[in-house]
Amino acid sequence: KNQVEQSPQSLIILEGKNCTLQCNYTVSPFSNLRWYKQDTGRGPVSLTIMTFSENTKSNGRYTATLDADTKQSSLHITASQLSDSASYICVVSARDAGKSTFGDGTTLTVKP
Amino acid sequence: DVKVTQSSRYLVKRTGEKVFLECVQDMDHENMFWYRQDPGLGLRLIYFSYDVKMKEKGDIPEGYSVSREKKERFSLILESASTNQTSMYLCASSLERTPMKEQFFGPGTRLTVL
Repeated sequence: KNQVEQSPQSLIILEGKNCTLQCNYTVSPFSNLRWYKQDTGRGPVSLTIMTFSENTKSNGRYTATLDADTKQSSLHITASQLSDSASYICVVSARDAGKSTFGDGTTLTVKP
Repeated sequence: DVKVTQSSRYLVKRTGEKVFLECVQDMDHENMFWYRQDPGLGLRLIYFSYDVKMKEKGDIPEGYSVSREKKERFSLILESASTNQTSMYLCASSLERTPMKEQFFGPGTRLTVL
């Protein structure tokens, strides 16, 4: 069964600090992995997409990494801002299916 | 910009009522999806559609049905609402069937069934 597990479930950091969110998956055959950001009361918005051959991808202060061998991904946020407070969802898609498998998300709170 | 709109942000219904949730996308996307989002369970796929008048069951279709009469519109129907269907409902669309394509989400409808 395809599964995506994220950790930690929630995280509180001070403004300006860095943090790293984790995603482990068992989806096979692997096609791609996306990180979404979901602000409170809004739908998720895609931050990055990574395919099998990509190890690192950046989007501003967000940097995603992928280790396809260990089936792990991380999302690193640099110099956090209050607006980074949101839920971050890891989504993994298989090559042979139109559906994607969603993680439960990590809720990040950035405090001043 | 892709825009996915949902008919209501908040909805309160009574047990047994028939509930319609409407979703419209304005970018001529082929694929449309309905999810529900619950704390600790993440997003779970209810139904999806790859074309007009076409639908496929997702992971949790029980108690729900869908309708796609036009390409831009995808409706989720709760035939007889129950309290365990209280949830956040999210609609999404994507351009093609391939798994590479990003899903664009609407703002969600928070449904409460009393």
